[in-house]
Amino acid sequence: GAGVSQSPSNKVTEKGKDVELRCDPISGHTALYWYRQRLGQGLEFLIYFQGNSAPDKSGLPSDRFSAERTGESVSTLTIQRTQQEDSAVYLCASSLTGTDGYTFGSGTRLTVV
Amino acid sequence: TQLLEQSPQFLSIQEGENLTVYCNSSSVFSSLQWYRQEPGEGPVLLVTVVTGGEVKKLKRLTFQFGDARKDSSLHITAAQPGDTGLYLCAGTPTNDYKLSFGAGTTVTVRA
Repeated sequence: GAGVSQSPSNKVTEKGKDVELRCDPISGHTALYWYRQRLGQGLEFLIYFQGNSAPDKSGLPSDRFSAERTGESVSTLTIQRTQQEDSAVYLCASSLTGTDGYTFGSGTRLTVV
Repeated sequence: TQLLEQSPQFLSIQEGENLTVYCNSSSVFSSLQWYRQEPGEGPVLLVTVVTGGEVKKLKRLTFQFGDARKDSSLHITAAQPGDTGLYLCAGTPTNDYKLSFGAGTTVTVRA
């Protein structure tokens, strides 16, 4: 596609429920990143994919968080047993090589109530 | 501890004034980027600098990469209300591939 698409744009969920966030990167972009942004703060790195493999999962906050990527395209970020502190905007970005500029999606705003 | 420290955290100026945002680190970066983010949107890339001492201009915006590739600055001349937003610097350290972000500078330009 022309840009990075994320869905849903907004998600309100009850504490303890699982959520799945989706990212469609720019076609042909091999590098894909997930970041988390809490209100009024900068971007917190979560995970990086090169192709379908994730060489760096160091940013995932806990084992409740997981991510996968298939077909060197779509990626999903899953949060199990959501907690209120998971409330944030989750941003996905893709890059052609990983060393050039990133193109971000508009994010998914997650609210855990 | 932030890998990249941005200052100031907040900046509010009158239309027509100039402003400078700073991004500093003790690490050396292979490249440094500046993004602008507006409410409800993802960050949008403004520029990438890769060479120590490099200066890039984008209309009224001037970006500089320090000689030692540890710091950068963004200067806006004759700011306009459309320049309002969150400005983020981001860098890839020479011993890493991960893009790390500063906490951002919120710029407000009053008409």
